[in-house]
Amino acid sequence: QSVLTQPPSVSGTPGQRVTISCSGGNSNIGNNALNWYQQLPGTAPILLIFGTNQRPSGVPDRFSGSKSGTSASLAISGLQSEDEADYYCATWDDILDGPVFGGGTKLTVL
Amino acid sequence: QVQLVESGGGLVKPGGSLRLSCAASGFTFSDYYMGWIRQAPGKGLQWVSFITNTETTYYAESLKGRVTISRDNSKNSLFLQMNSLRAEDTAMYYCARTMNYYDSGTYLNYFDFWGQGTLVTVSS
Repeated sequence: QSVLTQPPSVSGTPGQRVTISCSGGNSNIGNNALNWYQQLPGTAPILLIFGTNQRPSGVPDRFSGSKSGTSASLAISGLQSEDEADYYCATWDDILDGPVFGGGTKLTVL
Repeated sequence: QVQLVESGGGLVKPGGSLRLSCAASGFTFSDYYMGWIRQAPGKGLQWVSFITNTETTYYAESLKGRVTISRDNSKNSLFLQMNSLRAEDTAMYYCARTMNYYDSGTYLNYFDFWGQGTLVTVSS
């Protein structure tokens, strides 16, 4: 059981905009910045979004993050086949005194 | 460019021990926090531990007492000693550079570069 809750799967067609939600509590999302990781099939995760809405160098601006209260979301616009991957939200938890991850969301591009 | 290469994984019997290593390059290793994250087969990511640049250590509650993180800045290396291994410790173990700071009053903690992982299998 993950501390952060994500939908197990989402899907979309090429060119579409999809969002992935992540919900938590006051000790984690409510009080700290949110991060998102992308894991392509058979590879290690990479950092996609940090500080809730900042993109590392090289990440396309099709990817954006937002947060409101104890929930956050990752939006992917102009969906492409290479976006098919698992996506994980993560943040610091003040009570657990460590980073916590969501259970992951599998994005399928139809 | 930042490179992290894990090693030391393998097949170990329940109750056994294993020491994982992570060789870092492409950045000033001693300036950064470093961490370990694991992923059981077909499952999600689970934070294991991280160590600050001043060698303060943090552990996931479920693993405290069985794992020890350490670093050797002279060799740009990170380690994870795992003892009393159980079947549920079977996972890919990733080494990751850890960013940790405050920005406009908000705390940020994230893993900005990851290695390719080393697989630990605990089975009799």
